Amino acid sequence: DAMVIQNPRYQVTQFGKPVTLSCSQTLNHNVMYWYQQKSSQAPKLLFHYYDKDFNNEADTPDNFQSRRPNTSFCFLDIRSPGLGDAAMYLCATSGTGGGYTFGSGTRLTVV
Amino acid sequence: AQSVTQLDSQVPVFEEAPVELRCNYSSSVSVYLFWYVQYPNQGLQLLLKYLSGSTLVKGINGFEAEFNKSQTSFHLRKPSVHISDTAEYFCAVSPSGGYNKLIFGAGTRLAVHP
Repeated sequence: DAMVIQNPRYQVTQFGKPVTLSCSQTLNHNVMYWYQQKSSQAPKLLFHYYDKDFNNEADTPDNFQSRRPNTSFCFLDIRSPGLGDAAMYLCATSGTGGGYTFGSGTRLTVV
Repeated sequence: AQSVTQLDSQVPVFEEAPVELRCNYSSSVSVYLFWYVQYPNQGLQLLLKYLSGSTLVKGINGFEAEFNKSQTSFHLRKPSVHISDTAEYFCAVSPSGGYNKLIFGAGTRLAVHP
């Protein structure tokens, strides 16, 4: 089935140690998004790619970066994770007609 | 800019009772509207969406929602809930047309009790 796959499902990292979360899609959608969702809160958009064009939200910290080497893959890099970065990170894609598809998320724990 | 208000942070209900989760939005342009469900430690699953056409939208798991443009609302309903419907529900909006980001409401926690 066409889908959005996030790896790993759970990630534990040390304070200050760089970490990368990955997302892949088989939908061939142009747009890929990264959302951060803290406990009991709504998902918050960090950035998105329209094809190779990167679009950063104004309030996304510089500590968060992203790469999209091709249509299928998108990575979220956290350069120096802090305790406040512990959250669920959701990847999503969208195509025409308002269709958004979310992955299962990666739960990041910072110790 | 768009915004979404989910009027209830928590909704407790007994099994087999009907439920309505309320959502209001604000936008100066036409929008697409969505309801997502999230189970613990899971991603977001689309319940239903309104893009255009009939204002009554039917989704998965017996849920439906009605788009009311004059009241800028998109309330979610189910005539008879199950224990398994216990989850967090998010209403979301995006500008219609093209590729646009989703703006989420704060979420409503639906707790179904036996």
